[in-house]
Amino acid sequence: RKEVEQDPGPFNVPEGATVAFNCTYSNSASQSFFWYRQDCRKEPKLLMSVYSSGNEDGRFTAQLNRASQYISLLIRDSKLSDSATYLCVVNMVGPSGGSYIPTFGRGTSLIVHP
Amino acid sequence: DAGVIQSPRHEVTEMGQEVTLRCKPISGHDYLFWYRQTMMRGLELLIYFNNNVPIDDSGMPEDRFSAKMPNASFSTLKIQPSEPRDSAVYFCASSSPGLTVYNEQFFGPGTRLTVL
Repeated sequence: RKEVEQDPGPFNVPEGATVAFNCTYSNSASQSFFWYRQDCRKEPKLLMSVYSSGNEDGRFTAQLNRASQYISLLIRDSKLSDSATYLCVVNMVGPSGGSYIPTFGRGTSLIVHP
Repeated sequence: DAGVIQSPRHEVTEMGQEVTLRCKPISGHDYLFWYRQTMMRGLELLIYFNNNVPIDDSGMPEDRFSAKMPNASFSTLKIQPSEPRDSAVYFCASSSPGLTVYNEQFFGPGTRLTVL
């Protein structure tokens, strides 16, 4: 079983729709969580961090559920420009204690159409 | 700031040849990561450095891969000899010091490697 799992999609939605992605992780000692966005043939870029209390940035809302070991990303009022792959990242403190190990999910593809 | 710089952007080589990928992290960042991305396996962490010292290389596929960071502003990933299954996009990323487990990683544009 992979440490970080995502539904690869694609999620095909019309403009204006609300869409949600989940990401599950296997290591309960995971320390921090992020969503990255990757456009086709480009590098990943940070979309938002995920805090325990949940956080919102405009049309984007991220949630963390430690008990069930998953994080989620909700996109409201989808735009054509939201079409991309969304990667979840889970950081775990490494064995030395002073370092951390980032693990990426495979990504979820979103296609927003007119 | 110019961001993370990688070179070359594209590399096409023949099986058995040596390949060297280069990375310049963002100035002041003390963590540097090398990743490989393929359709089959997604984004995989190969190795990362802290203050030029390799911390975890458990993701390096085999002895054909090696990475160095001789100073704070330069790192290389070398494949010798290269094989067709090494074809992938290789990303370098860096992050700043501080409460590092919470820090954002900044990625370079990647090197698209094709081994024939």
